[in-house]
Amino acid sequence: AQKITQTQPGMFVQEKEAVTLDCTYDTSDQSYGLFWYKQPSSGEMIFLIYQGSYDEQNATEGRYSLNFQKARKSANLVISASQLGDSAMYFCAMRDHKGGAQKLVFGQGTRLTINP
Amino acid sequence: DVKVTQSSRYLVKRTGEKVFLECVQDMDHENMFWYRQDPGLGLRLIYFSYDVKMKEKGDIPEGYSVSREKKERFSLILESASTNQTSMYLCASSLLGSYPGQGTQYFGPGTRLLVL
Repeated sequence: AQKITQTQPGMFVQEKEAVTLDCTYDTSDQSYGLFWYKQPSSGEMIFLIYQGSYDEQNATEGRYSLNFQKARKSANLVISASQLGDSAMYFCAMRDHKGGAQKLVFGQGTRLTINP
Repeated sequence: DVKVTQSSRYLVKRTGEKVFLECVQDMDHENMFWYRQDPGLGLRLIYFSYDVKMKEKGDIPEGYSVSREKKERFSLILESASTNQTSMYLCASSLLGSYPGQGTQYFGPGTRLLVL
């Protein structure tokens, strides 16, 4: 079964610094997708970035990039030039191919705090 | 932009009441999901649906039921609310497609339910 592990319960970073949030995954599938979501204190889960297992290049979306290392089964999120508004919970997720719909398996999350 | 709306942001109910949580999406997505989120436990899938009138149990379906009479609407029902169902409830939707990126789930703002 798919499993996502986020080993950092909390991180504190100074504003304008880059930050890396760790995510490792476990799957026996050859084709899979990895996702990152942001959850501010308001509660809504916001989709940030997606990486496919066959994508040769790391995904990027603005200040977000995904450091995908397939052999290590890691998909770390990198936020460049952090801002106060980046303070939130961040969840890594993997698409689960079992069952009728494409379910997502989520990690436990990392709480990121950006200090001014 | 994908929009997923939930009927209430905050809800207070009494033990034993029947509770309806409504979710509506406007992007013609086939898949819809209900999660609950509790501190330290992450997101747990309650039920999901990949078509009208189709439903499948997630990881924690006990005490819940769902209804999907129209493609855009997915309802979560607590038949007899209990205090251990106090939680944050999140609805999501996604396209049904073979390309892994189509598994991206888009979330509603969440409903914080308190059962007294």
